[in-house]
Amino acid sequence: EAGVAQSPRYKIIEKRQSVAFWCNPISGHATLYWYQQILGQGPKLLIQFQNNGVVDDSQLPKDRFSAERLKGVDSTLKIQPAKLEDSAVYLCASSSYRAWGTEAFFGQGTRLTVV
Amino acid sequence: ELKVEQNPLFLSMQEGKNYTIYCNYSTTSDRLYWYRQDPGKSLESLFVLLSNGAVKQEGRLMASLDTKARLSTLHITAAVHDLSATYFCAVLQETSGSRLTFGEGTQLTVNP
Repeated sequence: EAGVAQSPRYKIIEKRQSVAFWCNPISGHATLYWYQQILGQGPKLLIQFQNNGVVDDSQLPKDRFSAERLKGVDSTLKIQPAKLEDSAVYLCASSSYRAWGTEAFFGQGTRLTVV
Repeated sequence: ELKVEQNPLFLSMQEGKNYTIYCNYSTTSDRLYWYRQDPGKSLESLFVLLSNGAVKQEGRLMASLDTKARLSTLHITAAVHDLSATYFCAVLQETSGSRLTFGEGTQLTVNP
């Protein structure tokens, strides 16, 4: 079974620039999460999709962050404009919670450095 | 709002010793997960705990869940250097649309 794919793996941008991250979840997984993990901290949920609908975006800074999940499969997360404090690893995860005992599987993440 | 707290946040131990990491959460949950993260890597799923009294073991790690106390433990037996990593617990709430909330993580270092 292929895992969660993310790209790019690394990105360095200047503040006020824009950046986009891409995620391809495990096939058939209806739930997709984007997390932000700042160095030394636990992952913080940014947005959660169920198929192509948003379930929870309460912690997404909507003035600069946006995300979409077209056709309920791939997802993109965009930051525009970036700030220094956005430097973090952005993790995508997918899950199929309707199946008994399954859990969320994480991609390798995109490490963003804003300079 | 759900709070997930782990302790200790940092743990340095000798090889061969036993220790327990604790995970407390503030509201009713549906599932509890333990993940491992190596430096610069993503999160690897270790255990899924589904019900009160659930216990799962894999090698030197054993996880348990007490839903009444809202407490999960990750017990390390006879630690070895390869277990050095950061361990996260995460709590799932179906009533919040399957929101998965993480603790701060426990950074474990096992010294020879």
